[in-house]
Amino acid sequence: DQQVKQNSPSLSVQEGRISILNCDYTNSMFDYFLWYKKYPAEGPTFLISISSIKDKNEDGRFTVFLNKSAKHLSLHIVPSQPGDSAVYFCAASGSIPGTNAGKSTFGDGTTLTVKP
Amino acid sequence: EAGVAQSPRYKIIEKRQSVAFWCNPISGHATLYWYQQILGQGPKLLIQFQNNGVVDDSQLPKDRFSAERLKGVDSTLKIQPAKLEDSAVYLCASSVSGTANTEAFFGQGTRLTVV
Repeated sequence: DQQVKQNSPSLSVQEGRISILNCDYTNSMFDYFLWYKKYPAEGPTFLISISSIKDKNEDGRFTVFLNKSAKHLSLHIVPSQPGDSAVYFCAASGSIPGTNAGKSTFGDGTTLTVKP
Repeated sequence: EAGVAQSPRYKIIEKRQSVAFWCNPISGHATLYWYQQILGQGPKLLIQFQNNGVVDDSQLPKDRFSAERLKGVDSTLKIQPAKLEDSAVYLCASSVSGTANTEAFFGQGTRLTVV
């Protein structure tokens, strides 16, 4: 039973346009969500996060939206650049010590390709 | 600031052989994680250490996998004996603390191929 799902394995967008990556989760105990970016032959690097007390967090070209009632979050990249081409992982964690605190459950990733 | 260091980068072994991976986390990071990433999937947590104690090893196949973090700094992950399905990238990560609202910093990973 996969608790974090990224249903789109791949996404292709034109440079300058918006990229929207989606993520769904099933565990209502998750209250902190992160996006990581991964280039080939490298480890994932943290991109942006959001706490469940918020519905939006913005950092430059990257914005994450959280819809708790739908158990859905999305990452918006505007404008998209060719250097954004990578695999994006959605991750979720909780805050209950000894159970889910500090442990991220990852989705399977979405490969974003930004075409010049 | 130096990142998370892992070695080796690549390893090819035959099934039933043993293998060990090493990780040195970012200095001062109390929490260390080992993840297994199978091709086409997201990282899956194997074990989480807080300093030199195990917080969670519920997904570690303990009949063949073992891990230790002596002195609360660097860590080793061992597989003995290896199976074909252990072929994956093994990622080490560290964070300042093991609380929910902190991101993890990942190493480049060790790509293991079992033949």
